[in-house]
Amino acid sequence: AQKITQTQPGMFVQEKEAVTLDCTYDTSDQSYGLFWYKQPSSGEMIFLIYQGSYDEQNATEGRYSLNFQKARKSANLVISASQLGDSAMYFCAMRDNNAGNMLTFGGGTRLMVKP
Amino acid sequence: DTEVTQTPKHLVMGMTNKKSLKCEQHMGHRAMYWYKQKAKKPPELMFVYSYEKLSINESVPSRFSPECPNSSLLNLHLHALQPEDSALYLCASSLRWTSSGLNEQFFGPGTRLTVL
Repeated sequence: AQKITQTQPGMFVQEKEAVTLDCTYDTSDQSYGLFWYKQPSSGEMIFLIYQGSYDEQNATEGRYSLNFQKARKSANLVISASQLGDSAMYFCAMRDNNAGNMLTFGGGTRLMVKP
Repeated sequence: DTEVTQTPKHLVMGMTNKKSLKCEQHMGHRAMYWYKQKAKKPPELMFVYSYEKLSINESVPSRFSPECPNSSLLNLHLHALQPEDSALYLCASSLRWTSSGLNEQFFGPGTRLTVL
Protein backbone atom coordinates (compact mmCIF):
# COMPACT_ATOMS: atom_id res chain seq x y z
CA ALA A 1 0.00 0.00 0.00
CA GLN A 2 1.12 3.51 -0.69
CA LYS A 3 1.61 6.12 1.96
CA ILE A 4 2.37 9.83 1.73
CA THR A 5 3.65 11.75 4.74
CA GLN A 6 3.78 15.49 5.19
CA THR A 7 5.37 16.09 8.57
CA GLN A 8 4.77 19.85 8.79
CA PRO A 9 1.15 20.60 9.67
CA GLY A 10 1.84 24.35 9.58
CA MET A 11 4.63 26.66 8.51
CA PHE A 12 5.36 30.36 8.46
CA VAL A 13 7.58 32.08 5.91
CA GLN A 14 8.51 35.72 5.46
CA GLU A 15 7.38 37.33 2.23
CA LYS A 16 10.05 37.15 -0.52
CA GLU A 17 11.90 34.29 1.16
CA ALA A 18 12.08 30.69 -0.06
CA VAL A 19 10.35 27.84 1.74
CA THR A 20 10.55 24.04 1.51
CA LEU A 21 7.54 21.84 2.17
CA ASP A 22 8.43 18.25 2.99
CA CYS A 23 6.90 15.15 1.47
CA THR A 24 8.01 11.55 1.86
CA TYR A 25 6.36 8.56 0.29
CA ASP A 26 6.43 4.83 0.64
CA THR A 27 5.87 2.49 -2.28
CA SER A 28 7.25 -0.73 -3.66
CA ASP A 29 6.32 0.25 -7.21
CA GLN A 30 8.93 1.38 -9.73
CA SER A 31 6.61 3.47 -11.86
CA TYR A 32 4.74 6.27 -10.14
CA GLY A 33 4.04 9.98 -10.33
CA LEU A 34 4.29 12.67 -7.68
CA PHE A 35 2.10 15.77 -7.65
CA TRP A 36 1.77 18.91 -5.58
CA TYR A 37 -1.53 20.76 -5.26
CA LYS A 38 -2.34 24.09 -3.61
CA GLN A 39 -5.70 24.63 -1.91
CA PRO A 40 -6.56 28.23 -0.96
CA SER A 41 -9.34 28.89 1.53
CA SER A 42 -11.76 29.12 -1.41
CA GLY A 43 -11.50 25.33 -1.72
CA GLU A 44 -10.30 24.69 -5.24
CA MET A 45 -7.30 22.36 -5.62
CA ILE A 46 -4.76 23.91 -7.98
CA PHE A 47 -2.17 21.69 -9.66
CA LEU A 48 1.36 23.05 -9.20
CA ILE A 49 3.99 20.57 -10.35
CA TYR A 50 4.59 16.95 -11.36
CA GLN A 51 7.54 14.55 -11.18
CA GLY A 52 7.60 11.13 -12.80
CA SER A 53 9.57 8.40 -11.05
CA TYR A 54 11.79 7.94 -14.10
CA ASP A 55 12.45 11.64 -14.61
CA GLU A 56 16.11 12.29 -13.92
CA GLN A 57 15.86 16.04 -13.62
CA ASN A 58 13.95 17.84 -10.89
CA ALA A 59 10.75 19.42 -12.14
CA THR A 60 10.42 23.21 -12.15
CA GLU A 61 7.41 25.43 -12.87
CA GLY A 62 8.04 29.12 -12.41
CA ARG A 63 8.62 29.76 -8.68
CA TYR A 64 7.94 26.10 -7.85
CA SER A 65 10.53 23.37 -7.97
CA LEU A 66 10.43 19.80 -6.79
CA ASN A 67 13.45 18.42 -4.97
CA PHE A 68 13.16 14.75 -5.93
CA GLN A 69 15.40 12.34 -4.04
CA LYS A 70 14.33 8.91 -5.22
CA ALA A 71 16.60 6.85 -2.96
CA ARG A 72 15.29 8.70 0.08
CA LYS A 73 11.72 8.60 -1.27
CA SER A 74 11.23 12.29 -0.82
CA ALA A 75 9.62 14.89 -3.09
CA ASN A 76 9.88 18.24 -1.36
CA LEU A 77 8.30 21.35 -2.84
CA VAL A 78 10.40 24.49 -2.91
CA ILE A 79 8.65 27.84 -3.36
CA SER A 80 11.00 30.70 -4.12
CA ALA A 81 10.29 34.37 -3.43
CA SER A 82 7.14 33.72 -1.38
CA GLN A 83 4.16 35.96 -1.97
CA LEU A 84 1.16 36.69 0.27
CA GLY A 85 -1.01 34.81 -2.20
CA ASP A 86 0.97 31.63 -1.51
CA SER A 87 -0.78 31.30 1.86
CA ALA A 88 -2.78 28.08 1.49
CA MET A 89 -2.87 24.35 2.20
CA TYR A 90 -0.42 22.33 0.15
CA PHE A 91 -0.96 18.65 -0.59
CA CYS A 92 1.57 16.18 -1.90
CA ALA A 93 0.06 13.25 -3.80
CA MET A 94 1.28 10.08 -5.43
CA ARG A 95 -0.09 8.01 -8.29
CA ASP A 96 0.74 4.35 -8.74
CA ASN A 97 1.02 3.98 -12.50
CA ASN A 98 -0.35 0.43 -12.27
CA ALA A 99 -3.61 1.55 -10.66
CA GLY A 100 -5.18 4.06 -13.00
CA ASN A 101 -5.02 7.77 -12.36
CA MET A 102 -5.82 7.44 -8.65
CA LEU A 103 -4.10 9.89 -6.30
CA THR A 104 -3.10 9.16 -2.71
CA PHE A 105 -2.81 12.43 -0.78
CA GLY A 106 -0.66 13.36 2.18
CA GLY A 107 -2.17 15.10 5.18
CA GLY A 108 -1.24 18.56 3.92
CA THR A 109 0.82 21.50 5.14
CA ARG A 110 -0.70 24.89 5.87
CA LEU A 111 1.65 27.63 4.71
CA MET A 112 1.26 31.16 6.03
CA VAL A 113 3.25 33.97 4.41
CA LYS A 114 4.01 36.91 6.67
CA PRO A 115 4.26 40.45 5.23
CA ASP B 1 -11.96 26.53 -21.55
CA THR B 2 -9.68 25.00 -18.94
CA GLU B 3 -11.89 24.86 -15.92
CA VAL B 4 -14.18 22.57 -14.02
CA THR B 5 -17.37 24.20 -12.76
CA GLN B 6 -19.52 23.03 -9.87
CA THR B 7 -22.97 24.07 -8.74
CA PRO B 8 -24.18 24.99 -6.25
CA LYS B 9 -21.31 26.57 -4.29
CA HIS B 10 -23.13 26.05 -1.01
CA LEU B 11 -25.95 23.68 -0.08
CA VAL B 12 -27.84 23.22 3.17
CA MET B 13 -30.19 20.26 3.34
CA GLY B 14 -32.18 18.31 5.85
CA MET B 15 -31.75 14.60 6.41
CA THR B 16 -34.94 13.81 4.49
CA ASN B 17 -34.19 15.99 1.46
CA LYS B 18 -33.10 14.92 -2.00
CA LYS B 19 -30.62 17.18 -3.75
CA SER B 20 -28.05 16.96 -6.53
CA LEU B 21 -24.57 18.35 -7.08
CA LYS B 22 -23.51 19.16 -10.61
CA CYS B 23 -20.08 19.23 -12.22
CA GLU B 24 -19.20 20.25 -15.77
CA GLN B 25 -16.05 20.40 -17.90
CA HIS B 26 -15.49 21.20 -21.56
CA MET B 27 -11.85 20.17 -21.88
CA GLY B 28 -12.62 16.89 -23.63
CA HIS B 29 -11.56 14.94 -20.56
CA ARG B 30 -12.85 11.36 -20.39
CA ALA B 31 -12.23 10.68 -16.69
CA MET B 32 -14.23 12.43 -13.97
CA TYR B 33 -14.00 12.10 -10.21
CA TRP B 34 -15.94 12.87 -7.04
CA TYR B 35 -14.06 13.55 -3.80
CA LYS B 36 -15.23 14.27 -0.27
CA GLN B 37 -13.08 16.52 1.90
CA LYS B 38 -13.61 17.10 5.61
CA ALA B 39 -12.09 20.17 7.28
CA LYS B 40 -8.30 20.05 7.66
CA LYS B 41 -8.10 16.67 5.89
CA PRO B 42 -7.02 15.64 2.40
CA PRO B 43 -9.63 14.81 -0.24
CA GLU B 44 -10.97 11.25 -0.20
CA LEU B 45 -11.88 9.63 -3.50
CA MET B 46 -15.51 8.55 -3.79
CA PHE B 47 -16.15 7.67 -7.45
CA VAL B 48 -14.39 7.60 -10.80
CA TYR B 49 -16.06 7.61 -14.20
CA SER B 50 -14.10 6.67 -17.30
CA TYR B 51 -15.80 7.19 -20.67
CA GLU B 52 -19.10 7.73 -18.86
CA LYS B 53 -18.88 4.36 -17.11
CA LEU B 54 -18.40 3.94 -13.37
CA SER B 55 -14.89 2.56 -12.87
CA ILE B 56 -14.28 3.06 -9.16
CA ASN B 57 -16.68 3.13 -6.21
CA GLU B 58 -14.71 3.45 -3.00
CA SER B 59 -17.33 1.71 -0.85
CA VAL B 60 -19.46 4.82 -0.68
CA PRO B 61 -22.87 4.49 1.07
CA SER B 62 -25.83 4.19 -1.28
CA ARG B 63 -27.25 7.52 -0.10
CA PHE B 64 -24.70 8.97 -2.56
CA SER B 65 -25.60 8.11 -6.14
CA PRO B 66 -23.35 9.28 -8.99
CA GLU B 67 -24.44 9.77 -12.57
CA CYS B 68 -22.53 10.65 -15.73
CA PRO B 69 -25.12 11.55 -18.40
CA ASN B 70 -22.51 12.58 -20.98
CA SER B 71 -18.79 13.17 -21.35
CA SER B 72 -19.01 16.72 -19.98
CA LEU B 73 -21.36 16.30 -17.04
CA LEU B 74 -21.13 14.55 -13.70
CA ASN B 75 -23.84 14.57 -11.07
CA LEU B 76 -23.95 13.41 -7.48
CA HIS B 77 -27.44 12.68 -6.20
CA LEU B 78 -27.92 12.94 -2.46
CA HIS B 79 -30.69 11.33 -0.43
CA ALA B 80 -31.22 10.73 3.29
CA LEU B 81 -27.84 12.12 4.23
CA GLN B 82 -26.49 12.26 7.77
CA PRO B 83 -24.91 15.26 9.54
CA GLU B 84 -21.51 13.56 9.28
CA ASP B 85 -21.80 13.83 5.49
CA SER B 86 -21.30 17.58 5.82
CA ALA B 87 -18.12 18.33 3.89
CA LEU B 88 -16.64 19.98 0.81
CA TYR B 89 -17.44 17.89 -2.28
CA LEU B 90 -14.92 18.31 -5.04
CA CYS B 91 -15.25 17.26 -8.64
CA ALA B 92 -12.20 16.70 -10.84
CA SER B 93 -11.46 15.64 -14.39
CA SER B 94 -8.44 14.37 -16.30
CA LEU B 95 -7.67 13.53 -19.89
CA ARG B 96 -8.05 9.82 -19.25
CA TRP B 97 -8.20 7.24 -16.46
CA THR B 98 -5.13 5.25 -17.48
CA SER B 99 -2.01 6.60 -15.85
CA SER B 100 0.90 7.69 -18.01
CA GLY B 101 2.77 10.93 -18.13
CA LEU B 102 1.32 13.99 -16.49
CA ASN B 103 -2.46 13.50 -16.89
CA GLU B 104 -3.10 15.80 -13.95
CA GLN B 105 -6.49 16.11 -12.37
CA PHE B 106 -8.21 19.48 -12.73
CA PHE B 107 -10.43 20.32 -9.77
CA GLY B 108 -13.55 22.40 -9.50
CA PRO B 109 -14.13 24.89 -6.66
CA GLY B 110 -16.29 22.45 -4.74
CA THR B 111 -19.71 22.46 -3.12
CA ARG B 112 -19.80 23.10 0.62
CA LEU B 113 -22.55 20.83 1.92
CA THR B 114 -24.17 21.15 5.33
CA VAL B 115 -26.61 18.47 6.48
CA LEU B 116 -28.87 19.51 9.34
